[in-house]
Amino acid sequence: GAGVSQSPSNKVTEKGKDVELRCDPISGHTALYWYRQSLGQGLEFLIYFQGNSAPDKSGLPSDRFSAERTGGSVSTLTIQRTQQEDSAVYLCASRRNRESSTDTQYFGPGTRLTVL
Amino acid sequence: KNQVEQSPQSLIILEGKNCTLQCNYTVSPFSNLRWYKQDTGRGPVSLTIMTFSENTKSNGRYTATLDADTKQSSLHITASQLSDSASYICVVPFSGYALNFGKGTSLLVTP
Repeated sequence: GAGVSQSPSNKVTEKGKDVELRCDPISGHTALYWYRQSLGQGLEFLIYFQGNSAPDKSGLPSDRFSAERTGGSVSTLTIQRTQQEDSAVYLCASRRNRESSTDTQYFGPGTRLTVL
Repeated sequence: KNQVEQSPQSLIILEGKNCTLQCNYTVSPFSNLRWYKQDTGRGPVSLTIMTFSENTKSNGRYTATLDADTKQSSLHITASQLSDSASYICVVPFSGYALNFGKGTSLLVTP
């Protein structure tokens, strides 16, 4: 299909390990977002990309979190030295046009991260 | 402070019945409001986007209303089906790209 895809769908890791989450946005979408959804909580904004640059990293909870986007397409979210409180579903979304405030964000299925 | 509050937190209804979900927001300036449906284990899917000038918008059995004066929106589901069981999330942008998400209303439709 032509939707947003994320991998892996599930990731179980041990505390202290690094993890990498991947997002493939819809082809042609210039804007890409990462969110975190903890159990019973609303979506929490992490970072926004316009093309390969990240004008807003304000949502990253700590310096253990980083993200990059290459070729204006695939993005990876890296969490170093994972902690149990990092356990959540990490959602990626893409949007065609940054300038249009009514443009829809299309979400991927998410990666469920469990830190033991 | 930009906030989006939803009620009820959860709701259980019988198949075939109607229900209404509420969203109050304090986001300013306001440009639009969105309702998303999130099935368990999946990403949110957009149901409708309402701009400042729109009072009502329908998408099949879903009807959203917006009162920009009172900063309230509702999502009405008619003749509910089992497949309507999901979390319904109200979203209001607070900048050109960033979104403010409500915590959602968890709807369960039972046979």
